[in-house]
Parts: sequence; C-alpha cells; structure tokens
Amino acid sequence: DTGVSQNPRHKITKRGQNVTFRCDPISEHNRLYWYRQTLGQGPEFLTYFQNEAQLEKSRLLSDRFSAERPKGSFSTLEIQRTEQGDSAMYLCATYRGGNTEAFFGQGTRLTVV
Amino acid sequence: QKEVEQNSGPLSVPEGAIASLNCTYSDRGSQSFFWYRQYSGKSPELIMFIYSNGDKEDGRFTAQLNKASQYVSLLIRDSQPSDSATYLCAAFTSGTYKYIFGTGTRLKVLA
Repeated sequence: DTGVSQNPRHKITKRGQNVTFRCDPISEHNRLYWYRQTLGQGPEFLTYFQNEAQLEKSRLLSDRFSAERPKGSFSTLEIQRTEQGDSAMYLCATYRGGNTEAFFGQGTRLTVV
Repeated sequence: QKEVEQNSGPLSVPEGAIASLNCTYSDRGSQSFFWYRQYSGKSPELIMFIYSNGDKEDGRFTAQLNKASQYVSLLIRDSQPSDSATYLCAAFTSGTYKYIFGTGTRLKVLA
C-alpha cells in the first residue's frame, strides 16, 4: 500500500454514460498526476496538479475529460459521454518533490460496454 | 521517436540468471529515472530510481545510468519466477514535472 487511494477499483459503464473517479493522495504530496494505461502500453500522461492548480493537460485529454483538485487534496477525473475507446486503467500518482519517486494508487479499471 | 523506449520483449531468462533490462530516452533534460514493476492487472510499484551517472544497487537490483548515451538499465540478479512481470522505465524532467514512461519490457523467469 503506497498511501495513494483510488476509488472505485473497477467500473463498468454503458457507452454514453458519465463516470467519475477519485484519488486521495499522500497528504504531504503537493503534485498529483493522472495517467491512462491500455493493454501492452506504458502509462500515458493525462494531466497534473500542483496543489489545486491544474498545470498541464495532455492533448489526449479531450473535452469529454475534466479533472479537479479542490483545496489541493483529493482529485477527481470525470469522463462524460464515455466511448469504448475510453476503456483503460486510470492511474493516479503523487509526488513530493525533488529527486523522489511518484507513488501510484491501485488504479481504476474502466470498461465501457 | 518515442521519448522513452524499451524493448517490449518478452525477455526469458532461467531461474537464478541475471536479467538485463534496457531503456533509452530522448530528452537530455531528463534528470531522474525510475524502474517500476507491474504485475498483470495491477498498478506499477517502484523498484528503484537513479539520477547520477553510474550504478546504484539495492539488494538483487542494480540500476545503471549513462547520461552521455541517454541509457538506463536494470539488472536483476538471481532472478526468481516471482520477478516475472512487466518492467516500466520512466524519465522525469523537472522543467515539465512529468514522468514519461516507456511501453515496458515483459520479463519471464523460467523455473
């Protein structure tokens, strides 16, 4: 257990529905990242926050995706009007700073049917 | 060209042998390099990281970094079947504050 908690662990949804995932970081980590991973690929960067500020969004993050980190604590990632191509593992990672590692949560596996 | 490249494998080694996993990166601004192990269906877990040229050892694992060649490697000594997993290499650049991952190398340790 890295101390980064993601919920839910699994989500099955019908195409066109909205889904929201939550990440609770390690408390002293001010940077929080969202990644997406599909089978046979490495994690792909989606977005990251420093405290409550969203500093960068990947072009992979279409208008259907939105992420928030109110008060610089937990973060949510919402996908609107889900598509089958959104099926993936969504990973949250947090980072303290300096030459240190990012700690990953357990991930949320999304299946769009 | 991908920013972080790894051979996807699978790399098969017999139990007890040394497994050598390699990674190259394209951004010379990358400062820290990380090796994560990922079992099927699970999230990545950190094995070790390195940011200075040379070798860094931790138990059965040795990470090697050559910034001039933009090359990172991970050696696993006395490989065990439980080491069978996908190994992800990641580069971190403080200018962008992003971790960029390779596609991972699948390692199979044969009993």
